[in-house]
Amino acid sequence: GQQLNQSPQSMFIQEGEDVSMNCTSSSIFNTWLWYKQDPGEGPVLLIALYKAGELTSNGRLTAQFGITRKDSFLNISASIPSDVGIYFCAGQLGGTSGSRLTFGEGTQLTVNP
Amino acid sequence: DVKVTQSSRYLVKRTGEKVFLECVQDMDHENMFWYRQDPGLGLRLIYFSYDVKMKEKGDIPEGYSVSREKKERFSLILESASTNQTSMYLCASRRLKFSNQPQHFGDGTRLSIL
Repeated sequence: GQQLNQSPQSMFIQEGEDVSMNCTSSSIFNTWLWYKQDPGEGPVLLIALYKAGELTSNGRLTAQFGITRKDSFLNISASIPSDVGIYFCAGQLGGTSGSRLTFGEGTQLTVNP
Repeated sequence: DVKVTQSSRYLVKRTGEKVFLECVQDMDHENMFWYRQDPGLGLRLIYFSYDVKMKEKGDIPEGYSVSREKKERFSLILESASTNQTSMYLCASRRLKFSNQPQHFGDGTRLSIL
């Protein structure tokens, strides 16, 4: 199936730094989702975006739904060691035939104390 | 909070065995999904279901089947397990098939086929 272009693939940062990652698609989506997955665990939903141009925050996390509906970004401010994990973006069309998700490849984040 | 529970975190089975992976959600969600996750390949959709008794093939259904006899439970069945089915299996559920509600995932089952 199709995958979204997510970048970067990996990031190595110092504690306290800000992080930015993004996803792009050749197709439009009606919903953009950002998940985080810790080693050996299932993905946990961080932020859901439902409207083009929407900017949503969840604590130190901020995500935006691109105006073209073909992209989204996630920012993490003042990173801490527990931010370590894999971050996935996912696009969803919704509706009767669109309940499937299209996933990005993931961004592996490492935070050095 | 949404709770998606997968029956086993770790499972070891032998080649040729019939394997059942169980998933239960407590939020009365209509949609349920089974994925497998492999390094370098990301999450791939095996099967999904819109409601009880309904099932749809995903991207990689070969070697798998599913059962949805009750709304809260979605089972993945490996008819005759093979070593290439060693993987992390993730179940997800979602509310209201006509809306944009997000999928919520279970903790995963790491399955090893020997």
